[in-house]
Amino acid sequence: AQSVTQPDIHITVSEGASLELRCNYSYGATPYLFWYVQSPGQGLQLLLKYFSGDTLVQGIKGFEAEFKRSQSSFNLRKPSVHWSDAAEYFCAVGAVGNYKLSFGAGTTVTVRA
Amino acid sequence: DTAVSQTPKYLVTQMGNDKSIKCEQNLGHDTMYWYKQDSKKFLKIMFSYNNKELIINETVPNRFSPKSPDKAHLNLHINSLELGDSAVYFCASSQSERGDTQYFGPGTRLTVL
Repeated sequence: AQSVTQPDIHITVSEGASLELRCNYSYGATPYLFWYVQSPGQGLQLLLKYFSGDTLVQGIKGFEAEFKRSQSSFNLRKPSVHWSDAAEYFCAVGAVGNYKLSFGAGTTVTVRA
Repeated sequence: DTAVSQTPKYLVTQMGNDKSIKCEQNLGHDTMYWYKQDSKKFLKIMFSYNNKELIINETVPNRFSPKSPDKAHLNLHINSLELGDSAVYFCASSQSERGDTQYFGPGTRLTVL
C-alpha cells in the first residue's frame, strides 16, 4: 500500500525567505508524486507533479520539487515566499493503474510580514 | 469555465436528514472521485467511478451512495446524516485510471447539527 508522510505540521516563514516542505512516500514501485495547495476555504490546486524523467520538476507560482528515489522523498521548494503563499500544502502519491491517490496530512504555511 | 464544479458549496442540516451533493466536470475525463476532508484537514478517498462504473469503494458507511448518471457527473447521496459526517467533501476527476493527475472541485462544506 502506498502512503505519504509530511513531517512538518506547521511552518512559519518570513515574506521573501525561502521555503522547503518535506514529503516522504512509501511505495514499492515507481510512484507518481504530486503537490497540491489549498488556500483557505478553497479546493485543491495542483502545483506540480512527477511521473518520470527529470527529477527536478517545475510547477506553477514559482514552486519546484525534487524527486529523490534513494531517500523516498519529494520535497517542495520556493526560493522567495510571497504573502499569498500562505496555505495548506498536500503531498500525494499515486501509481500506474492505481486509481487511488494517497495524501499526506498536510503542512500549514504561515507567512509573516 | 469551471473545470470541476460542486453544488452546493455549503450545506447545513439536521441529524437524520438525507442530502445530496452534486458534481460535474467539463474536462472530458473518464474517472471521477469523492474525497472527505475531516476537521484536521486529512483527505481520504471515498469512491471512484470510471466510465460510470464503481471502481473504488473504501470503507464508507452504506449510508453514502454515489451515483454516476454519465461520465461527466458523480453525485453523492447521504442518508440518515450523523454528526460525524460533518466535513468538507471534494469531488475530483482525472483523464483515466492510470494514476493521472486529479483535478479537484471547490468542495462542499457539510455541517450536521
